[in-house]
Amino acid sequence: DTAVSQTPKYLVTQMGNDKSIKCEQNLGHDTMYWYKQDSKKFLKIMFSYNNKELIINETVPNRFSPKSPDKAHLNLHINSLELGDSAVYFCASSQDAWTGMRGYTFGSGTRLTVV
Amino acid sequence: AQTVTQSQPEMSVQEAETVTLSCTYDTSESDYYLFWYKQPPSRQMILVIRQEAYKQQNATENRFSVNFQKAAKSFSLKISDSQLGDAAMYFCAYRQEDGGATNKLIFGTGTLLAVQP
Repeated sequence: DTAVSQTPKYLVTQMGNDKSIKCEQNLGHDTMYWYKQDSKKFLKIMFSYNNKELIINETVPNRFSPKSPDKAHLNLHINSLELGDSAVYFCASSQDAWTGMRGYTFGSGTRLTVV
Repeated sequence: AQTVTQSQPEMSVQEAETVTLSCTYDTSESDYYLFWYKQPPSRQMILVIRQEAYKQQNATENRFSVNFQKAAKSFSLKISDSQLGDAAMYFCAYRQEDGGATNKLIFGTGTLLAVQP
């Protein structure tokens, strides 16, 4: 039973399209994250939600909009996709936003390719 | 701002040998956590080992151990008896612990480990 599941695993789309990536965790964690891994494998945080509330919003274009309908779900919607958005997007969760000891549990990533 | 540096983009080790991956970090905080994550070709991020900064004792998990030097801000990963399945990208990561809700995991640039049979 997958702890953090993302769909889809692969997404190929044309420039200018709008797409969404979904994430669900069944760990009972309070906090969820979106990370972007670029072509050089560098991982950088984009957003964090704690109990449906946005708590971290890094410098990310407005075209990216996260939504958390409940604490088990965090979706990422991207408008007007650009070539530079091509990357692997990881969803992750942690028990809460405050205690860092346990680290994160990651999903398997969504490889987005914009053509 | 905190930064994490992995100075070895690639490393190679013979099967059954030992290899050490380097990581240094920059912080002015005294309480924090350090992690090593493994990313095999499957892309999955797997937690290998973690260390609390307030603990003097180095963490160990089976064949994996760390050398944590707080004063030097160094956190290296040692893999003993290397196996083919250890081949992966390894990321060092830092997370501050100050009771704030905006703590986040900050990653290094990764070290790609190849294991030769």
